[in-house]
Amino acid sequence: EVQLVESGGGLVKPGGSLRLSCVASGFTFSSYSMSWVRQAPGKGLEWVSSISSTSGHIYYADSVKGRFTISRDNARDSLYLQMNSLRAEDTAVYYCARGGGYSGYEYDYWGPGTLVSVSS
Amino acid sequence: DTQMTQSPSSLSASVGDRVTITCQASQDISNYLNWYQQKPGRAPKLLIYDASNLQTGVPSRFSGSGSGTDFAFTISSLQPEDTATYYCQHFANLPLTFGGGTKVEIK
Repeated sequence: EVQLVESGGGLVKPGGSLRLSCVASGFTFSSYSMSWVRQAPGKGLEWVSSISSTSGHIYYADSVKGRFTISRDNARDSLYLQMNSLRAEDTAVYYCARGGGYSGYEYDYWGPGTLVSVSS
Repeated sequence: DTQMTQSPSSLSASVGDRVTITCQASQDISNYLNWYQQKPGRAPKLLIYDASNLQTGVPSRFSGSGSGTDFAFTISSLQPEDTATYYCQHFANLPLTFGGGTKVEIK
């Protein structure tokens, strides 16, 4: 059974940092691109960042470029999101999602999410 | 950026009704469109990929159509468990963007 489990969320002050993790199981993690998608409270879905299976291609939304860093460790079946210079508008549930299909952008499995709250 | 305009933002229908949600792209995205269902407090679930392909295990009452800039998502016979918010998502280019969502409720 495919499972994705995020961790690392919490309450942080503006300007602070957090590192999110997503541990995968039930599939060959190294064969899939992975993404982070977030959802602010009561709002819609927003794509944050994607990383290809071998980390050769990495992309970010403009809203996080220069502040967030996506990475992965295929030996540990893990995906990460290092978030620096956090702002109130980064408050959201952060989901990791597996990129299925030929494009790698058909999100066929999602984790339950981890809540990041940025507030003083 | 390719913007996705989804409508309506909410709807209320009776069990057994046919329900249609539309999604319009600001530019041609071919068939690079997915549809997701999200229930309260849960992660989204992929229902339709490549505009019209039913994801494995998804009931056949769900369907998608369209290409280019205009797309539709249909529930042929609304069931109580279909209460959720539905999102379209394009993947024609970066940044990927989602529609604003359609909240579907049972009347």
